[in-house]
Amino acid sequence: DAGVTQSPTHLIKTRGQQVTLRCSPISGHKSVSWYQQVLGQGPQFIFQYYEKEERGRGNFPDRFSARQFPNYSSELNVNALLLGDSALYLCASSLGFGVGGSPDTQYFGPGTRLTVL
Amino acid sequence: GENVEQHPSTLSVQEGDSAVIKCTYSDSASNYFPWYKQELGKRPQLIIDIRSNVGEKKDQRIAVTLNKTAKHFSLHITETQPEDSAVYFCAASSISTDSWGKLQFGAGTQVVVTP
Repeated sequence: DAGVTQSPTHLIKTRGQQVTLRCSPISGHKSVSWYQQVLGQGPQFIFQYYEKEERGRGNFPDRFSARQFPNYSSELNVNALLLGDSALYLCASSLGFGVGGSPDTQYFGPGTRLTVL
Repeated sequence: GENVEQHPSTLSVQEGDSAVIKCTYSDSASNYFPWYKQELGKRPQLIIDIRSNVGEKKDQRIAVTLNKTAKHFSLHITETQPEDSAVYFCAASSISTDSWGKLQFGAGTQVVVTP
């Protein structure tokens, strides 16, 4: 899991504002996934990108969007922030090819702690 | 979609004893089952994973077993140490038309190892 980086580490916003979170995957990994982890719960899947294309989307409103760049880094954008968006946002990096018909391993970054006031 | 249930929610063990965490999943298409350890304020760290073509996998004091027929898998930690104290998450995943490896997590187990 060494090498997945996320920025910023912490962020405080007010309701209605917009936020952009950034992730750089492990070198050689072409897939990035985003998860939201509310305190005391397991991570919830938001998006997965591979080779700049969206490959999966979780049950989140359209206020959440993401993109992946040619260097495989990714951004997660959240518009019109709500108090309930306060959470740890985790980025996970993987090769993206799968292993014998099953998904390949995902390695998590340290996360961005978002607080919405 | 996939649903993963994890038990127990908390587990207290004496140092040196074994700990077992159990998970069940609902989607028979799931074929990849990782376990993550998350210490307070830190990232989830992969500790072991298993694919559906094997029934058991071991790495030193940690082992995972998988029963595809019953749709459950378990994490076993032997000779527990205080540094094993953390929240452990199981997850299930598969490759499908709408999701290439989306991890569906259980709710987590808080493990406390007392000296």
